[in-house]
Amino acid sequence: NAGVTQTPKFQVLKTGQSMTLQCAQDMNHEYMSWYRQDPGMGLRLIHYSVGAGITDQGEVPNGYNVSRSTTEDFPLRLLSAAPSQTSVYFCASSLAGTLYEQYFGPGTRLTVT
Amino acid sequence: GIQVEQSPPDLILQEGANSTLRCNFSDSVNNLQWFHQNPWGQLINLFYIPSGTKQNGRLSATTVATERYSLLYISSSQTTDSGVYFCAVGYAGGTSYGKLTFGQGTILTVHP
Repeated sequence: NAGVTQTPKFQVLKTGQSMTLQCAQDMNHEYMSWYRQDPGMGLRLIHYSVGAGITDQGEVPNGYNVSRSTTEDFPLRLLSAAPSQTSVYFCASSLAGTLYEQYFGPGTRLTVT
Repeated sequence: GIQVEQSPPDLILQEGANSTLRCNFSDSVNNLQWFHQNPWGQLINLFYIPSGTKQNGRLSATTVATERYSLLYISSSQTTDSGVYFCAVGYAGGTSYGKLTFGQGTILTVHP
């Protein structure tokens, strides 16, 4: 199993541009989520999904969209990038929410200039 | 929401020393995980330990859920143990379903 994969590893955007961060898992996990990590602030939940077709907001959802059309994939879309979205983004998955161990992808480092 | 506090914020050790990292949380949880973030930024699962004690080589962890804390023990530390250690907790109930709340982390530096 590849586990949780994320692409790209690095990305530089200009303010106002849009892009999609990709996340995929091959463990048949129902639950997937996106976090951002900023210096001194730990990881914060952006959006999560408890299964295909179901998504919900986390702690810091503004400026981001998600969809879950398949069990395997959970892309994160930045609609109009802002310098405040410069961060490292992690995707995670688990069998079902917090009742099970969560596994994290390698992260995407995003810089918005 | 649940508050998570980790201590100490920074820890500097000589190779071979032992250490204890602490995680306090403010409410009942049914998930607690310890992660190691290595210098390349990767988050590595160390323990899934909502209660009880587990050991994996030089590392062990204990969670006392009724007293709302968890401890991570590192024995005979090595330079490769350097990095940031995170505690994350979750509660599968109400609007908290699926949310892991992370502590601020403990930055560990092990010198040769």
